[in-house]
Amino acid sequence: DAGITQSPRHKVTETGTPVTLRCHQTENHRYMYWYRQDPGHGLRLIHYSYGVKDTDKGEVSDGYSVSRSKTEDFLLTLESATSSQTSVYFCAIRKIAGGHSYEQYFGPGTRLTVT
Amino acid sequence: KQEVTQIPAALSVPEGENLVLNCSFTDSAIYNLQWFRQDPGKGLTSLLLIQSSQREQTSGRLNASLDKSSGRSTLYIAASQPGDSATYLCAVSNTGNQFYFGTGTSLTVIP
Repeated sequence: DAGITQSPRHKVTETGTPVTLRCHQTENHRYMYWYRQDPGHGLRLIHYSYGVKDTDKGEVSDGYSVSRSKTEDFLLTLESATSSQTSVYFCAIRKIAGGHSYEQYFGPGTRLTVT
Repeated sequence: KQEVTQIPAALSVPEGENLVLNCSFTDSAIYNLQWFRQDPGKGLTSLLLIQSSQREQTSGRLNASLDKSSGRSTLYIAASQPGDSATYLCAVSNTGNQFYFGTGTSLTVIP
């Protein structure tokens, strides 16, 4: 599991409230990712980070922000949660597998429900 | 933008049967392709990674092949077991920075 934990594992929140999800890794990997998984859409990239304070947007970044102040922690914030952000959120890290080959490992996921 | 497709979306087979799952991608300039397994309510577990220079990888009863020129990969599962029931996803990386996922094939192995 590459030492990836996510917290909380489950959360129910109300529309309009801010929410922060945390991803923690123990192996000092440079790249970290946040995805959301929804039926019929598979996994879609929200944001990723390629180092402390270095982040970039994915294909579904609207309504989300991220921060990475330490190598081991990558935070995902929903500034004002909406029902469309009800989803399962996965954090992942990237390991170098050799040459120009990279392998992803995932955390256990956070199930977020916005009511 | 890379598009990854997995067909069929669902597959049901009797125990003991050999089966093939398919993954196709639109941009053949990939660094690697990775197969995952996902059990209901769980995270993704990495099964096999095929580098762009490789044609196949094997792990136990699993064999994954890669044909970059045609934009296809297959995951072969030999002698299927009920414990193989899960959703199988493939993902490709073009740059090493981002990964693109298919929507998965839900496999049910019937005892």
